[in-house]
Formats: sequence, structure tokens, C-alpha cells
Amino acid sequence: EIVLTQSPGTLSLSPGERATLSCRASQSVSSSYLAWYQQKPGQAPRLLIYGTSNRATGIPDRFSGSGSGTDFTLTISGLEPEDFAVYYCQQYGSSPEYTFGQGTKLEIK
Amino acid sequence: QLQLQESGPGLVNPSGTLSLTCAVSGGSISSSDWWSWVRQPPGKGLEWMGEVYHDGRTNFNPSLKSRITMSVDKSKNHFSLKLTSVTAADTAVYYCARDGGVALGAFDFWGQGTMVTVSS
Repeated sequence: EIVLTQSPGTLSLSPGERATLSCRASQSVSSSYLAWYQQKPGQAPRLLIYGTSNRATGIPDRFSGSGSGTDFTLTISGLEPEDFAVYYCQQYGSSPEYTFGQGTKLEIK
Repeated sequence: QLQLQESGPGLVNPSGTLSLTCAVSGGSISSSDWWSWVRQPPGKGLEWMGEVYHDGRTNFNPSLKSRITMSVDKSKNHFSLKLTSVTAADTAVYYCARDGGVALGAFDFWGQGTMVTVSS
């Protein structure tokens, strides 16, 4: 099973700043199958990024994804008040299996 | 627009069976997509439980394989989850979700989630 480790656990930033969230895999992940989600309290997760760098429908272009192999990054440029939430990375592997990282909480500083 | 809606008992007795259904609207469950269950214990992260295809094929999280079944009812356009021998550790919000469309290997549509508590 591929384990995804997200860092930092909590990120404190101000609106307008740039957020950089990391997701590290215990073994190589296909870049076609690495996704990012945003979850707000009491809501279901929302798909932001799939295939490492493709924005899902309706996702603003301040959200971007990058990476390859075992290291992946979600960048949010110019934080808006509605961006403060928990973010999860997720991979799909060949077993098949889907695994999630433990999440990064993005909070207002 | 595809919509998913979970339903089922909110309270299950320890050692009992948890049964949930996910109704799919705005699209067909017989499309070329896989349909999954994902759960989230209170205050914790997300765990993929398993997936089902419209022809009945399934794949499960190895940690749940001995306790989980999933099925599809094409006539009702819904799919179901059964989890046996539940304990307090199975208390969670249960989401149904679609893996498919353009975003292969990712869940692009989710239900709102349903809270299930295991307690006597």
C-alpha cells in the first residue's frame, strides 16, 4: 500500500499570501493518478486537481498542482477567505487502491 | 449535473450490519464509471472502502475485505454498501462518490455524506 504523507499538518497564512502544500508518497505514484481535494467543515470533499496538474471543472486558476514520482505540491496563489479549509492529496494505484494523505489544515493567521 | 445521495440508518448496534444506499441522479449508474464508498471518522481523515462497477465487479480496501460487500441495482439507479460485524471504530460519515469522467482515478462527484454511529 502506498502511504501519502502531507506537510505541514497546519499552515497559518493571511489572505493574499501564497500557500504551498506538500504530499510525499512512500513509493512512486503515476502522475496521471494524483489528485487534491478541499474540504470545509460539514461538507463533502471537493475535487480541485486531478492528474497532478489538471484543474477540475469550476476551480479557479489560483489553484495549481505540480510534481512527479514521490513528491507533489498544491499551490494556492493569492489566498481568498474561502480557501481556508483542509486539503487532502489522494493517489490511485494498480491493485486497485485509493489512498489519501492525512490532510493539511490551512488556517487564517 | 450528476448528483449522489446517501441513505440508511444513522445508528447501528455493535456486531450488527451497516447498510447504506447511494442514489444516483442526473446520470446512469450503467455508465463507464466506478462507484465508491469513502468514510471519515469524526475529526479524522478519509478512507476509501471499496468500489463497484455496473456489472457487479468490485474492489475493496484490503483492511475491510472480510466484512464488506457492495452491489448495484440498475433498475433503481443506485448502489449499496454492507459492512458486517461493526464496532465503534466504524463510526464515521460515509460518502458515496464517483471515480470517472475525465478525472480518472479521482472522485469528481460526491454525496453530501451520512453520519453512522455504532452504539447500543
